[in-house]
Amino acid sequence: QVQLVESGGDLVKPGGSLRLSCAASGFNFNDYYMSWIRQAPGKGLQWISYISTTSTYTEYADSVKGRFTISRDNAKNSLFLHMHSLRAEDTAVYYCVREKSQTSGSYYDYWGRGTLVTVSS
Amino acid sequence: DIQMTQSPSSLSASVGDRVTITCRASQGITNSLAWYQQKVGKAPRLLLYGASRLESGVPSRFSGSGSGTDYTLTISSLQSEDFLIYYCQQYYSAPYTFGQGTKLEIK
Repeated sequence: QVQLVESGGDLVKPGGSLRLSCAASGFNFNDYYMSWIRQAPGKGLQWISYISTTSTYTEYADSVKGRFTISRDNAKNSLFLHMHSLRAEDTAVYYCVREKSQTSGSYYDYWGRGTLVTVSS
Repeated sequence: DIQMTQSPSSLSASVGDRVTITCRASQGITNSLAWYQQKVGKAPRLLLYGASRLESGVPSRFSGSGSGTDYTLTISSLQSEDFLIYYCQQYYSAPYTFGQGTKLEIK
């Protein structure tokens, strides 16, 4: 069965850096776009970034553009999110998510359990 | 960005009730809409996509409808396990955006 397992979440000071990882299994990772979506404590869901199957295309939400970098290693079935210049407002649970592509766009059919990033001094 | 507005923000109902949650987009999204269910502290679960298509394994008491800017999620007969939080998401135009959520509570 499809599994997405995030890791790397931690308590970090403002201005710090962190790398999140997601280990995928149970499907052909190479065939799917992948995204990171976050959820601040008690808040709703916010898409952060996506990456295409061969890493050719990436996009970011304006709130993280220039600070976060998404990447993937298809040989290791892994997705990453490199986070720099972290701010208090980046505090959230970060979900690794598989995209199901349609003609118009993508929805998210499998989600990991999430990893908590806390930015605080 | 397309804004998604859900109503109500919270809803009290009883087991067996029929409930409807509404999601309105700030512009037409031609049925490019998904619904998710989330238990607090857990990952969201996909319920429907394409506004009305049931994801595999989702009970048939869940249904969706709508067109243009206005969409609904209906639960025909609430079960105890349905008292969770529901989100809509548009995938018509990037960045794909979510509604703020509707919390379904036991009356």
